[in-house]
Amino acid sequence: AQSVTQLGSHVSVSEGALVLLRCNYSSSVPPYLFWYVQYPNQGLQLLLKYTSAATLVKGINGFEAEFKKSETSFHLTKPSAHMSDAAEYFCAVSGSTGGFKTIFGAGTRLFVKA
Amino acid sequence: EPEVTQTPSHQVTQMGQEVILRCVPISNHLYFYWYRQILGQKVEFLVSFYNNEISEKSEIFDDQFSVERPDGSNFTLKIRSTKLEDSAMYFCASSESLRTGELFFGEGSRLTVL
Repeated sequence: AQSVTQLGSHVSVSEGALVLLRCNYSSSVPPYLFWYVQYPNQGLQLLLKYTSAATLVKGINGFEAEFKKSETSFHLTKPSAHMSDAAEYFCAVSGSTGGFKTIFGAGTRLFVKA
Repeated sequence: EPEVTQTPSHQVTQMGQEVILRCVPISNHLYFYWYRQILGQKVEFLVSFYNNEISEKSEIFDDQFSVERPDGSNFTLKIRSTKLEDSAMYFCASSESLRTGELFFGEGSRLTVL
């Protein structure tokens, strides 16, 4: 069975500081991995995805994530946080060989301090 | 830009009543999903739907729930005899293909069961 674990339900950074949101996955097949963002009272929006091409994936709003098979990790980073980055971030996994569902992590709420 | 639309945005119902949540997926998408997010908790998979039938469902999706695609555009989630614990945000999502795996989410329907 596939699963993702997000370390830290809440992360707080200062504006301009590095953002690092951690995600580890478990999958018996090469996974597709995703980061989604949810702003208050909105649906989830895709930030970026890994689908077995480049291991460093660039997404929208300056975010990127690196797939590390040896560590089963897919951490999300952004060099410089902006106030508008405050939101809930979800790591997710789906199977490359099928399976019609995407499984989400518990989410990490990012706070950005001025 | 194409988007997934959901109605109603908020529904309040009495315990034991039936509720139908509606979704219009992106028109060229083939895979449809319902997810649930109880306040402050993770996004949970309910059901996936492809080629006019359920592809996969979670243990949450019991006989109380049903989905259908009554016409070429709408995708509905019916909850029979609602319970207090059904109170949640319900998200519809659609996907163009399994290969890419990217889900496009609607903004959600908030269900409050009293």
